[in-house]
Amino acid sequence: TQLLEQSPQFLSIQEGENLTVYCNSSSVFSSLQWYRQEPGEGPVLLVTVVTGGEVKKLKRLTFQFGDARKDSSLHITAAQPGDTGLYLCAGYSGNTGKLIFGQGTTLQVKP
Amino acid sequence: NAGVTQTPKFQVLKTGQSMTLQCAQDMNHEYMSWYRQDPGMGLRLIHYSVGAGITDQGEVPNGYNVSRSTTEDFPLRLLSAAPSQTSVYFCASSYVGALNNEQFFGPGTRLTVL
Repeated sequence: TQLLEQSPQFLSIQEGENLTVYCNSSSVFSSLQWYRQEPGEGPVLLVTVVTGGEVKKLKRLTFQFGDARKDSSLHITAAQPGDTGLYLCAGYSGNTGKLIFGQGTTLQVKP
Repeated sequence: NAGVTQTPKFQVLKTGQSMTLQCAQDMNHEYMSWYRQDPGMGLRLIHYSVGAGITDQGEVPNGYNVSRSTTEDFPLRLLSAAPSQTSVYFCASSYVGALNNEQFFGPGTRLTVL
């Protein structure tokens, strides 16, 4: 069974600080995705990384896929209160099409 | 397009009762799935389907049944509810074929089993 471990599970920071969330596995994934979830809603896709070493930027968010395609990171620069939410990494398991999620990282950005 | 819709939004059951959580999508997606979300555990896959008439088990299938008679609908049945099934349930859909497809999620059903 492929597992994804996210860290930290909870992060509380002040507005303007930088942060990094990690998503690690002992298994190789064909791609990794990052989702963001607001309270009372379903997750929404932020980005998909496919190639080992790939870096994608979405405004103040930078996503990286590890060279060996076993891990990924999400870096937020100058966090804002609007970044508050649950961040989830997910990877497709083998060739089945099943999407497996990490435990999630709850981010709180205080003004 | 309505996207992925789920009903009901909230439900309270007594232990042993049965119920069906409804999920529908209007995007003609072949792949549909059910997840449960519990604090500190992310989303765990219950059952999934790659097309009408085809279903398979996910990580935590025990206590749940599914069927897929149409492309649009993928109901989740709890035959005899237990307090351990108290959770928030999400339905999702996507295209199949590429292992990087975006999953579209419904708004969730919050279920409490007393």
